[in-house]
Amino acid sequence: QVQLVQSGAEVKKPGASVKVSCKASGYTFTSYGISWVRQAPGQGLEWMGWISAYNGNTNYAQKLQGRVTMTTDTSTSTAYMELRSLRSDDTAVYYCARAGYCSGGSCYHTVGFDYWGQGTLVTVSS
Amino acid sequence: SYVLTQPPSVSVAPGQTARITCGGNNIGSKSVHWYQQKPGQAPVLVVYDDSDRPSGIPERFSGSNSGNTATLTISRVEAGDEADYYCQVWDSSSDHYVFGTGTKVTVL
Repeated sequence: QVQLVQSGAEVKKPGASVKVSCKASGYTFTSYGISWVRQAPGQGLEWMGWISAYNGNTNYAQKLQGRVTMTTDTSTSTAYMELRSLRSDDTAVYYCARAGYCSGGSCYHTVGFDYWGQGTLVTVSS
Repeated sequence: SYVLTQPPSVSVAPGQTARITCGGNNIGSKSVHWYQQKPGQAPVLVVYDDSDRPSGIPERFSGSNSGNTATLTISRVEAGDEADYYCQVWDSSSDHYVFGTGTKVTVL
């Protein structure tokens, strides 16, 4: 069965960086992309970006450009999201999700985010 | 950037039908996905590509998409359907995913 297991909760000081991992199992990792989504307390879902596990191509939300980096390690089927220069408004639950089916050099975004990690709470506080 | 607008809340009696709209410019030309999120849980995909259901999602959940509005319909609403619902699209002009503002469904 498909599973995405994320790393544990983090507490960081303003200005620091955080790196969250998302280990995938139960499917061919390089046949899909991974998206990262965050949710601040009491707020809606915010898409952060997407990475193709097929070729490493990335797309980041404009709001986070320059502060976020998404990577994958295909040898361990793990995706990573690093967010730098943390601020208090980065406090949120961060989710990874399987997103986009990739085949023959193209990725297709008509399948939605069909599997999600359990979420990782990142708290930014001095 | 592309914007998706949802009503903040929808209330429905058990056994009735709930309709949640998602408005966006020419959204009918895009593939729309819908998610259900209950408190303290990760979102769950309930409809993808406008009207398809993942395995395990009841037939009571259905979707449609035309013009400037996509709609998620929940038939024969049950107490367990009480949750937040979000629409989503892939905006190919920016290569970005976009989430709607979210709708809280309350079962009376």
